[in-house]
Amino acid sequence: NAGVTQTPKFRILKIGQSMTLQCTQDMNHNYMYWYRQDPGMGLKLIYYSVGAGITDKGEVPNGYNVSRSTTEDFPLRLELAAPSQTSVYFCASTNEGPSQFGSGTRLTVV
Amino acid sequence: AQTVTQSQPEMSVQEAETVTLSCTYDTSESDYYLFWYKQPPSRQMILVIRQEAYKQQNATENRFSVNFQKAAKSFSLKISDSQLGDAAMYFCARIRGAQKLVFGQGTRLTINP
Repeated sequence: NAGVTQTPKFRILKIGQSMTLQCTQDMNHNYMYWYRQDPGMGLKLIYYSVGAGITDKGEVPNGYNVSRSTTEDFPLRLELAAPSQTSVYFCASTNEGPSQFGSGTRLTVV
Repeated sequence: AQTVTQSQPEMSVQEAETVTLSCTYDTSESDYYLFWYKQPPSRQMILVIRQEAYKQQNATENRFSVNFQKAAKSFSLKISDSQLGDAAMYFCARIRGAQKLVFGQGTRLTINP
């Protein structure tokens, strides 16, 4: 049981490039989330999903897209990367109560 | 606004002593969950303790306990017998619809040997 697995752990992007952050969970959780954490701040919700085929926006969705084709996977797509997207990204999942988190991806846009 | 506020950006405590981290929140719901998460330098988010709002008894997990004041919308974390390994960022959070978490800004806890 690996829990929530995120890849990559670190990435440097140039302005305007695109990339996909991968997230997979093996706990058969219905709810999955993407949060971002800016330096010295708490986590803010980007997108979430309540089940396969269903996604919705969180507090800070601009510049991102998601899909949920399976229960296990919830990738986050960054299109046209901007310096404001420099952050640490966390994927999380749960069925009820507190979410279990992945180890995070540190993304730098230069 | 459904906010969570941590008013102490930084706290420090001597090893083996007790420290309390503060948290207040805003909600219009009567039943909800509250959590404290620990984030060490490894950046992993680790659940420390949870409190269900309908339970009057304060939650306790070993050296960690909460003081939950529902009417005041206050949810503080007490760490007893502080250890060097307790040094971390601590985040207070509550659940909104669809199990989404709303986080406070965090408190950086330093343990002095």
